[in-house]
Amino acid sequence: AQTVTQSQPEMSVQEAETVTLSCTYDTSESDYYLFWYKQPPSRQMILVIRQEAYKQQNATENRFSVNFQKAAKSFSLKISDSQLGDAAMYFCASRQGAQKLVFGQGTRLTINP
Amino acid sequence: EPEVTQTPSHQVTQMGQEVILRCVPISNHLYFYWYRQILGQKVEFLVSFYNNEISEKSEIFDDQFSVERPDGSNFTLKIRSTKLEDSAMYFCAGGGTNYGYTFGSGTRLTVV
Repeated sequence: AQTVTQSQPEMSVQEAETVTLSCTYDTSESDYYLFWYKQPPSRQMILVIRQEAYKQQNATENRFSVNFQKAAKSFSLKISDSQLGDAAMYFCASRQGAQKLVFGQGTRLTINP
Repeated sequence: EPEVTQTPSHQVTQMGQEVILRCVPISNHLYFYWYRQILGQKVEFLVSFYNNEISEKSEIFDDQFSVERPDGSNFTLKIRSTKLEDSAMYFCAGGGTNYGYTFGSGTRLTVV
């Protein structure tokens, strides 16, 4: 069974600085996908970034990048130049093929002006 | 950009009543899912639906729950006799095989 663990219930960062959110996962499959979702106060789930396990190169989307360590089953999210609009809950999730997403417990990110 | 649309955005119902939550996925989605999120907790999988049948369901998805895709576009989640603990945000999602899901904006269900 897949499991996803986020060990940081809350994080805070000064505006314009960089923050890294941690995530570890466990799966017995060799082919899987990893995701970070953002959930603002509106509670909508917004895809931030995704990583295919077979790709060695870390995914990047503008100010968001990941550090994917396959052997360690680690998938952290780095947010550079933090902005006030980045404040939200962030969920790490994994998926095998077309199967369900399994979510971590979430990390609440606060941006301090 | 295409969206997954969920209605209603908020529903208040009395305990024991039936509710139907509706979702209109993006047309090229193949897989459809329902998730729920109790306030302050993580997002939990309920059920997945492919080729007009349930492909997987969680232990949460008991006989009180059912899903349908009655007309090839709408995707519904029915809760037959709501309980207080069914109060949560319910998300519909759709996707293919190799990319992240697109989530709807959710339905907040409040059971009183």
